[in-house]
Amino acid sequence: QVQLVESGGGLVKPGGSLRLSCAASGFTFSDYYMSWIRQAPGKGLEWISYISVSGSTIYYADSVKGRFTISRDNAKNSLYVQMNTLRAEDTAIYYCARAPLNSLYYFDYWGQGTLVTVSS
Amino acid sequence: SYVLTQPPSVSVAPGQTARITCGGNNIGSESVHWYQQKPGQAPVLVVYDDSDRPSGIPERFSGSNSGNTATLTISRVEAGDEADYYCQVWDSSSDHPYVFGTGTKVTVL
Repeated sequence: QVQLVESGGGLVKPGGSLRLSCAASGFTFSDYYMSWIRQAPGKGLEWISYISVSGSTIYYADSVKGRFTISRDNAKNSLYVQMNTLRAEDTAIYYCARAPLNSLYYFDYWGQGTLVTVSS
Repeated sequence: SYVLTQPPSVSVAPGQTARITCGGNNIGSESVHWYQQKPGQAPVLVVYDDSDRPSGIPERFSGSNSGNTATLTISRVEAGDEADYYCQVWDSSSDHPYVFGTGTKVTVL
């Protein structure tokens, strides 16, 4: 079955960096567009980045553009986001999510998320 | 950028029907997708492309979309339906294409 497992979250000081990973299994990872979506405590969902199957097309939300970098390693069935210059407002649960094979337009599977806390 | 507005909360008695709205400018011309998120859990897709259900989602969940409002309808509400619900569209005119609604907390009385 499809599984997405995020890791790499934790406590980091403002201005610090963190790299999140998402390990995919149960499907052909290299066939699917992937995204990172976050949810601040008690708040709604915020899409932050997506990457095409080859990595040639990447978009970011304005809130993270220039600070976050999404990437993927299809050989390792893994999705990543490098987060630099972290701010308190980046505190959130970070989910990786898959867009279905026949549509870019929504997410059919989500991981359980990893918590990032930015605090001094 | 495209804005999707949902009511913060909806309350419904067991066995009754819950309707959750998602308002957006001419949203009827977009495909709307809905997610259910229970406390401490990841979101789960319950309706896609306005009214289609993924496998495993009960027929009690249905969707419609017209004009400036999309609606997720939960029939014969059960206690287990208590959750936050989010609508989402793909904004093809933007390089921030995935837009989520503000979310609605459904409380089963």
